[in-house]
Amino acid sequence: EAGVAQSPRYKIIEKRQSVAFWCNPISGHATLYWYQQILGQGPKLLIQFQNNGVVDDSQLPKDRFSAERLKGVDSTLKIQPAKLEDSAVYLCASSLERGRNTIYFGEGSWLTVV
Amino acid sequence: DQQVKQNSPSLSVQEGRISILNCDYTNSMFDYFLWYKKYPAEGPTFLISISSIKDKNEDGRFTVFLNKSAKHLSLHIVPSQPGDSAVYFCAARGLNTGNQFYFGTGTSLTVIP
Repeated sequence: EAGVAQSPRYKIIEKRQSVAFWCNPISGHATLYWYQQILGQGPKLLIQFQNNGVVDDSQLPKDRFSAERLKGVDSTLKIQPAKLEDSAVYLCASSLERGRNTIYFGEGSWLTVV
Repeated sequence: DQQVKQNSPSLSVQEGRISILNCDYTNSMFDYFLWYKKYPAEGPTFLISISSIKDKNEDGRFTVFLNKSAKHLSLHIVPSQPGDSAVYFCAARGLNTGNQFYFGTGTSLTVIP
């Protein structure tokens, strides 16, 4: 079974530029999550989708971050404009359905804002 | 508000000995707990979980213990192997968290050959 796929793996951008990350969850997984992990901290949920609908985006900085999952499968997370403090690993994860007890992570997209 | 805490940022253990990683939580409504292992430059991988109706769950060399009254869980690895060297995160989910998982800050385990 293929895991959660993410791209790009690494990205370096200047502040005020924009960046987009892509995620393809495990086949059949209805719930998709985007987490932000800053160095030395645990992953923090940014947004959670159930199929193509947003379940929880309470911790998403909506002035600069946006995410979509138009067809209920893959998803894109965008940051525009980027700030220095956005430097982090952006982890996509998926689970079979909302409320399922285990979520599976991709390898992450490493962002450095300079 | 850090609802899940891992107070030891690092731990070193001799190969073959027991590794004990600890995690504390504050939300009494948490009902499911997981441990993830993370190697450098990789995403976290699921290791083991425990429901709040149990106080112990075992999977091979890995055992998780839950003490609900103390709001504490621990991961035991016996015997420890060099390949276990990684960062370990505990995570918790509760009835009042909208299915959101809260993660600790991680403990870096080094198993010395």
